[in-house]
Amino acid sequence: DTGVSQNPRHKITKRGQNVTFRCDPISEHNRLYWYRQTLGQGPEFLTYFQNEAQLEKSRLLSDRFSAERPKGSFSTLEIQRTEQGDSAMYLCASSPGSFHEQFFGPGTRLTVL
Amino acid sequence: QQQVKQSPQSLIVQKGGIPIINCAYENTAFDYFPWYQQFPGKGPALLIAIRPDVSEKKEGRFTISFNKSAKQFSLHIMDSQPGDSATYFCAAGGSGSRLTFGEGTQLTVNP
Repeated sequence: DTGVSQNPRHKITKRGQNVTFRCDPISEHNRLYWYRQTLGQGPEFLTYFQNEAQLEKSRLLSDRFSAERPKGSFSTLEIQRTEQGDSAMYLCASSPGSFHEQFFGPGTRLTVL
Repeated sequence: QQQVKQSPQSLIVQKGGIPIINCAYENTAFDYFPWYQQFPGKGPALLIAIRPDVSEKKEGRFTISFNKSAKQFSLHIMDSQPGDSATYFCAAGGSGSRLTFGEGTQLTVNP
């Protein structure tokens, strides 16, 4: 399967714990995006990378959130001191360079108890 | 100015019908308008996309109509099938960066 992969697919955690998600983009896609989707809503942009450089961050990305893309390949999204409001589907997408087509992974469903 | 408004919220059609979903945007800097299909528990899947230099694009049973002056675009699904039952999202983007999504339309196609 050469699509975008995300791990884990589901994560249940207690409030206050830290969680980390991983995204592996489509091979040779140099743009990688993170979005968050809550139930009944469209995805909301969080941040994106071109290669290893983080080029844009949404105001939704509070200081408890950090994303990295070392070596311009896979990316990680960490949430520190999770809150119940962080419960959502976290989606990763990748894109081939300057083309707009973004291809999404299956998402990581986070539940904060 | 970054919003994309989508309607209706939900839509029920009979098999073979032609559901139409509409979106409107405000930001004239948007130059890319994709539609995504999402099944429960899955990520959005790109269906079809259009740029503002054309007024219509067809791919299989899916057609996008685009009205640049009205800042509106719509998705038509020809000969709809029960397997098309899903949530559909329009989106808009510019310069290869973030996509701004509509709120989604839950489509049900009855057999």
